[in-house]
Amino acid sequence: SAVISQKPSRDICQRGTSLTIQCQVDSQVTMMFWYRQQPGQSLTLIATANQGSEATYESGFVIDKFPISRPNLTFSTLTVSNMSPEDSSIYLCSVVTDYEQYFGPGTRLTVT
Amino acid sequence: TQLLEQSPQFLSIQEGENLTVYCNSSSVFSSLQWYRQEPGEGPVLLVTVVTGGEVKKLKRLTFQFGDARKDSSLHITAAQPGDTGLYLCAGDNAGNMLTFGGGTRLMVKP
Repeated sequence: SAVISQKPSRDICQRGTSLTIQCQVDSQVTMMFWYRQQPGQSLTLIATANQGSEATYESGFVIDKFPISRPNLTFSTLTVSNMSPEDSSIYLCSVVTDYEQYFGPGTRLTVT
Repeated sequence: TQLLEQSPQFLSIQEGENLTVYCNSSSVFSSLQWYRQEPGEGPVLLVTVVTGGEVKKLKRLTFQFGDARKDSSLHITAAQPGDTGLYLCAGDNAGNMLTFGGGTRLMVKP
């Protein structure tokens, strides 16, 4: 299993600003994932972040809007840039270990 | 694109009732995972099923993986208010990429 923490747990931000979300894992993992979960919805994969390489973004998500860093095997950040109210969501990081996927508690973002 | 359809989307039942949630796809998955998510928290892994026809039990929860590994079901016996939450199925195509179903929001009333 894996224990994942995220910071901040929630934030209220103004339109046009940026927020960086941190994800810390208690063990070294190769792949980390960032998901978005809009209110009442399922999870949508934003990107996959491997240490030492550029993140791979899913359709509809671009690096300029959601830059990701992966400086080591236990940490990653996701930045939500130039925010608009449509970016209000829960953002979750996730890792795979022992062929099973585990999630952090999420960051609840509200953009006003 | 692999899609997973979950049904029902919403379910409101009384304590003590039984229920079944379905997760269906036209694609084959190497494994399928079920999660429960409570408000303000991330999804928590309940079980992973790997073999076609596999049945796993977790207390009052019974998970089944279809013979063809395209579908799965979650059956809850004698539901309790503590079972309330969002249930998500997710299929793994062996590339470490999960495809999530749309989720089933369950409310169990005391």
